[in-house]
Amino acid sequence: QKEVEQDPGPLSVPEGAIVSLNCTYSNSAFQYFMWYRQYSRKGPELLMYTYSSGNKEDGRFTAQVDKSSKYISLFIRDSQPSDSATYLCAMSETSQAGTALIFGKGTTLSVSS
Amino acid sequence: GAVVSQHPSRVICKSGTSVKIECRSLDFQATTMFWYRQFPKQSLMLMATSNEGSKATYEQGVEKDKFLINHASLTLSTLTVTSAHPEDSSFYICSASGRIGNTIYFGEGSWLTVV
Repeated sequence: QKEVEQDPGPLSVPEGAIVSLNCTYSNSAFQYFMWYRQYSRKGPELLMYTYSSGNKEDGRFTAQVDKSSKYISLFIRDSQPSDSATYLCAMSETSQAGTALIFGKGTTLSVSS
Repeated sequence: GAVVSQHPSRVICKSGTSVKIECRSLDFQATTMFWYRQFPKQSLMLMATSNEGSKATYEQGVEKDKFLINHASLTLSTLTVTSAHPEDSSFYICSASGRIGNTIYFGEGSWLTVV
């Protein structure tokens, strides 16, 4: 079983829709959870960073972590065509410099106008 | 703006030659830098972790003599692909971890094509 599972999609939604992206993981020691957005042929861009369980909101984006279920989500409200990208979840056991992130495969999202 | 700069963004080289990719942290000291490789429609695969002033730690299956990593300063790490072959063609991405809350930031990536 892979450490981090993420449905690669593709996921297609109309503009304005609410998007839900999810990852599951098996390592209960993970405490730090991140979502990255990657446009085609570009490096990943950090979107959200959360520690332990709970919700974190930033504009149209909400990150949710449920450690009991080993499940994390990213919600995008009022989705825009510019949100079309691949979204990667990532996680680590510590926040210490030098700790590598474990990535999901990424979910490709397409928002049509 | 970008906090990690990667250069070149795209390079084409002949089979058998070596190629160097640079990764620079801007405005912060990167105690640790990571090198990833990404094939089309695949996730990022960690190749190696480099700490300033010490040897890189390579992931299992990554040839250290083929992928030379140097982290000579707190703002610069380089990846040299030696004796490149067409199967080395890929998207190489670096990331840097420093003292901005230990958040990891990525470079823009470098597309390597070996012909």
